[in-house]
This record gives sequence, structure tokens and C-alpha cells, in this order.
Amino acid sequence: SQQGEEDPQALSIQEGENATMNCSYKTSINNLQWYRQNSGRGLVHLILIRSNEREKHSGRLRVTLDTSKKSSSLLITASRAADTASYFCATDSLGGFQKLVFGTGTRLLVSP
Amino acid sequence: DAGVTQSPTHLIKTRGQQVTLRCSPKSGHDTVSWYQQALGQGPQFIFQYYEEEERQRGNFPDRFSGHQFPNYSSELNVNALLLGDSALYLCASSDPGFHEQYFGPGTRLTVT
Repeated sequence: SQQGEEDPQALSIQEGENATMNCSYKTSINNLQWYRQNSGRGLVHLILIRSNEREKHSGRLRVTLDTSKKSSSLLITASRAADTASYFCATDSLGGFQKLVFGTGTRLLVSP
Repeated sequence: DAGVTQSPTHLIKTRGQQVTLRCSPKSGHDTVSWYQQALGQGPQFIFQYYEEEERQRGNFPDRFSGHQFPNYSSELNVNALLLGDSALYLCASSDPGFHEQYFGPGTRLTVT
């Protein structure tokens, strides 16, 4: 079963705009990770945020984590057509030994 | 440094047959996890291998089995294939510190 859900399910924007996607989960976690997937291929690791962190940056990516609300957000700034992909959040629950539980994903389309 | 590799890339099998998928982890990684991703869904955890033993298992039947070798590579075996086993099978590896999981490109299995 899926741990949580990403919102929105699909997002369509123009190049240069920012894209924000949200993730909600159900259990207490060690960390939360965001992945990108192009056209049903392998998952590319984007960023990991630990349960004691509130915000993390990597290049054009900004991730926030609110453990009280069991939610996270991924912001992609100045989007490019190459950012077109599906984005998944995955949680590593307490005592889970890295058994990642994925959400349903957000499909992002960035038009030139 | 090669990342996670998987073979084969694509596979077509007939219902009732058996299949073996292979995974080589990223250099320095000792833990291998397997995931099944149905079309349009997030990956679902199958099981995880550490020190050549299955450490934890998701909600998958015994038809799904695996093995980890001394060099940390791993195999996923599925017996008595069903049409519903058609999916992308992803292998992920992680380091002894249990941090980020890195995924391979996946094996696309089609059961006819």
C-alpha cells in the first residue's frame, strides 16, 4: 500500500516558472527522500531530508519537511523542459531499515 | 564509478513461467532492495537483502524470492508468473550508513 500521496497528481507549467509539489505521509519517519523518474525508467535520487531537519536546498531544489503535519514539499525554481518527469516522495519509517514507502507521484510537464 | 546496474532491460515471459532478474549494487553499498512498480503507480517494496539474508519483506507472495551473493549482487526470482506480475522491477542499493538509496534503470517484465 502507498504511504502517502503527492499533490497535485499532475502539474503543467511554462519554462522559467516555479513548480511546487506536496507530499503527505502517515507514520513517523527517519527521513524523507524525493526522486525523479523519466518515462517509466529508473528513479533518480534528488534529495534526502532527515526528520530533524526543516528545510534543505540542492541547486534549484528546495525541500521542506513538517513532521507535525506529516507533510513535505518540493520546490523546483526556474523550471526547464528537462525537468519534465514524474516526482515521487518516499519515506523511511522509524524502524523500517530503509524500507522506502512511496507516494503516488506528481507528473510534471514543463513546456518551452 | 558505475551506479546500480540491472539486467536484462526488458523481458517477455508467458504466464506460469519463472523469471530471474539481476542487480549489481553501487560500489561500496552492501544492502540491496527490490521494488515493483506497476504502470502509473509508485514503487512497492518487495524485500531487502543484507549480509546475504532477507532482512525484511513487503506484502508479496512466496512466489517472489531472492538471493544476495558475497559480492553484494542480488537476484529476484518470480515463479508461476501471473499477468499481474507485469511491471517495472527496480533494484536499489544503499551504503552501510543507511542513507540514500540509489536505484538502477529497472527491468521491464511483460507477462503474456
